[in-house]
Amino acid sequence: DTAVSQTPKYLVTQMGNDKSIKCEQNLGHDTMYWYKQDSKKFLKIMFSYNNKELIINETVPNRFSPKSPDKAHLNLHINSLELGDSAVYFCASSPGWGTDTQYFGPGTRLTVL
Amino acid sequence: AQSVTQLDSQVPVFEEAPVELRCNYSSSVSVYLFWYVQYPNQGLQLLLKYLSGSTLVKGINGFEAEFNKSQTSFHLRKPSVHISDTAEYFCAVSVTNQAGTALIFGKGTTLSVSS
Repeated sequence: DTAVSQTPKYLVTQMGNDKSIKCEQNLGHDTMYWYKQDSKKFLKIMFSYNNKELIINETVPNRFSPKSPDKAHLNLHINSLELGDSAVYFCASSPGWGTDTQYFGPGTRLTVL
Repeated sequence: AQSVTQLDSQVPVFEEAPVELRCNYSSSVSVYLFWYVQYPNQGLQLLLKYLSGSTLVKGINGFEAEFNKSQTSFHLRKPSVHISDTAEYFCAVSVTNQAGTALIFGKGTTLSVSS
């Protein structure tokens, strides 16, 4: 069974559209994250959720909104997509905070045309 | 603010040769350091981590890293690499504040192993 899964794997869309990326973890972890990896492979934290509460909200545009229907899911909604949103988005989860290992999903490659 | 610097963006090496991927961090508090590997078109996988104790940390696939507090470094090493080690390697530091925890990543090092 896949520990952290994301759908879709690839997403191609037009500027101005609204899209969602889904993430699910079956590890029973309490904390989930979204990272963005740009074209230069630089990874940056976007959000994290602990027990369904947003804990970290980095300086990302408010067009991005994470939504967690339950502890096992953290979906990423993006409104009014822009060219600069093109990137690979990774979901991750960890048992808790601090020194816990984060387990990453396979990534979603978003291309905005 | 805590940060991570990976000193080499690309490291080409021949198969069975030793390799060292360099990582320096800046932090004014206790640090927890990680090395992750990203194989082509895949997510990240933990290689090893340093939390406390012995400064020499052994990880998966024959990799090890040494935490050096005085030099603020956490270099990754492998005595003999394989073609299958070709991947992107990320050093990261765990940052915890009252708002929670996040991994701060370096910009990555591309390890290319050729025969």
